[in-house]
Amino acid sequence: KNQVEQSPQSLIILEGKNCTLQCNYTVSPFSNLRWYKQDTGRGPVSLTIMTFSENTKSNGRYTATLDADTKQSSLHITASQLSDSASYICVVRGPGGNYQLIWGAGTKLIIKP
Amino acid sequence: NAGVTQTPKFRILKIGQSMTLQCAQDMNHNYMYWYRQDPGMGLKLIYYSVGAGITDKGEVPNGYNVSRSTTEDFPLRLELAAPSQTSVYFCASRLTGGADEQYFGPGTRLTVT
Repeated sequence: KNQVEQSPQSLIILEGKNCTLQCNYTVSPFSNLRWYKQDTGRGPVSLTIMTFSENTKSNGRYTATLDADTKQSSLHITASQLSDSASYICVVRGPGGNYQLIWGAGTKLIIKP
Repeated sequence: NAGVTQTPKFRILKIGQSMTLQCAQDMNHNYMYWYRQDPGMGLKLIYYSVGAGITDKGEVPNGYNVSRSTTEDFPLRLELAAPSQTSVYFCASRLTGGADEQYFGPGTRLTVT
């Protein structure tokens, strides 16, 4: 069964610290992997999209890594800010049609001052 | 550009009532999607459309209907609301090809009691 699992479910860190969020998937074959940021009460916003041939992709203080062999991805946030408080969702696209997006449940990140 | 807009933001329905969730986008995107997001779960695709006049079912279409008479609008109809339809509903759109990135609306929080 195609699944995307994220860990931890929630995380609290102090402002200025770094953190890493994990994503494991069983989708196969695999087309691409995305990370979205979802602020409370808002829709998801794309952070990065990586194909199976890409190992690393950065977007400012956000760096996503992908290991297609082990089917793992991580999102590293550097020098966290209060505005980073949000849910971070890993999404994997399989090879099929328009609805072959498998969404993880997300990691809820809270940044404390 | 307003991007993707959704109305209403909140709604409470009684069991058996009907309603239409509105979604509009002004980016001239071909693809439009309806998702639901339940607590602790990943987004689930309800219906999608690849262009005006064309719609198709996603993972969880039962209890819902859609239409796409124009490129801009993609309303979601709930007939005979049930408590299981209590959720947050997101509309999204994207261009054909390109980065395959979906743009989301702010969501509609629906409670059925």
